[in-house]
Amino acid sequence: SQTIHQWPATLVQPVGSPLSLECTVEGTSNPNLYWYRQAAGRGLQLLFYSVGIGQISSEVPQNLSASRPQDRQFILSSKKLLLSDSGFYLCAWKGGPWEQFFGPGTRLTVL
Amino acid sequence: TQLLEQSPQFLSIQEGENLTVYCNSSSVFSSLQWYRQEPGEGPVLLVTVVTGGEVKKLKRLTFQFGDARKDSSLHITAAQPGDTGLYLCAEPAGGTSYGKLTFGQGTILTVHP
Repeated sequence: SQTIHQWPATLVQPVGSPLSLECTVEGTSNPNLYWYRQAAGRGLQLLFYSVGIGQISSEVPQNLSASRPQDRQFILSSKKLLLSDSGFYLCAWKGGPWEQFFGPGTRLTVL
Repeated sequence: TQLLEQSPQFLSIQEGENLTVYCNSSSVFSSLQWYRQEPGEGPVLLVTVVTGGEVKKLKRLTFQFGDARKDSSLHITAAQPGDTGLYLCAEPAGGTSYGKLTFGQGTILTVHP
């Protein structure tokens, strides 16, 4: 069966520090992968998606970047965090034509 | 990008009550999904509705897709504390090869024992 992992689960970082969040998927190959950000108790905003290794599409201009160095690994990064980068970051993979399966998320607080 | 409007934003009820939450758009949905998200976890898909007028049931949850495919509702019968969470509707954006979803802002449901 397929599983999706994210780490760390929580992160507190100072403004201006770098960021690296990791997402890995097991039990499937060449999945579409997605990074979302969610403000407290609200809807999900798609940040990046990837249809294959090295292929990244950005949905919104921002202080973040994404990379896919391996088939089942998706990384979200920033060189210098802003206060507005705080939020709940979710990784997902595409399981069917439209179905997405989400990871447990990373709670990022920028102070 | 189509905007999905969900209402109400917040709903606080007692165990055993019934409730309905809505998802609307000014444009026609190609299809619509409902997700539930518990605090600190990722959303989990509940159902996908595709055909106008479609009704799907999942235990105490009933999902309806409007005849014109511009609105959808989720009705919960005899709510339980375990139903507490954020309910999100989502619509596919772009082709199936990308599989992108646009989400509404969600309804936060709290069911009190």
